Amino acid sequence: GAGVSQSPRYKVAKRGQDVALRCDPISGHVSLFWYQQALGQGPEFLTYFQNEAQLDKSGLPSDRFFAERPEGSVSTLKIQRTQQEDSAVYLCASSSLLTGTGGSEQYFGPGTRLTVT
Amino acid sequence: AQSVTQPDIHITVSEGASLELRCNYSYGATPYLFWYVQSPGQGLQLLLKYFSGDTLVQGIKGFEAEFKRSQSSFNLRKPSVHWSDAAEYFCAVGPNTDKLIFGTGTRLQVFP
Repeated sequence: GAGVSQSPRYKVAKRGQDVALRCDPISGHVSLFWYQQALGQGPEFLTYFQNEAQLDKSGLPSDRFFAERPEGSVSTLKIQRTQQEDSAVYLCASSSLLTGTGGSEQYFGPGTRLTVT
Repeated sequence: AQSVTQPDIHITVSEGASLELRCNYSYGATPYLFWYVQSPGQGLQLLLKYFSGDTLVQGIKGFEAEFKRSQSSFNLRKPSVHWSDAAEYFCAVGPNTDKLIFGTGTRLQVFP
């Protein structure tokens, strides 16, 4: 079946604009994760969902960042009033098991590269 | 604090040579450990994972890794590197499969 997909793949925004990044997880996957990967760095955790419930948003860098997964499938990461430091690749991952259980892995999408000018 | 250290930013090897990528972690409990590979423009692909049991784990593409609790290490190895192995490699640690903490990555370059 299809893997995790993300759209758009590339996004250029002017400073101050709002952006919305979409993630389509693997069908039936319960858990969904968002990571931010700055240039030359490893991914950093932002937030995760178990079905539609956002269980942890401790990694969101500011209140300009907001994520939702209203029907427990597709998720959107929204960034309001974008700043240059928001420029990064935003990765989405999904997992088939409930978070907190072992034995499953996170499957990653190709990411959305956001450039704020 | 929980952290992952990959001391080598960039490694260059000749095709056919052996490879070892280092990973050290700081974690309060027994961690779940992972190695991912990222090719340009691609998402992260899981190479292998360690949860418990045998400390030598086999992964895809001929990679293996050994968990050494006493050294807080989880080094990735491959006996003979292929040109297609050129990519960025990330070590990650987590309490289970949530909230992975990644290292900064090691870029592998392979010369023919």
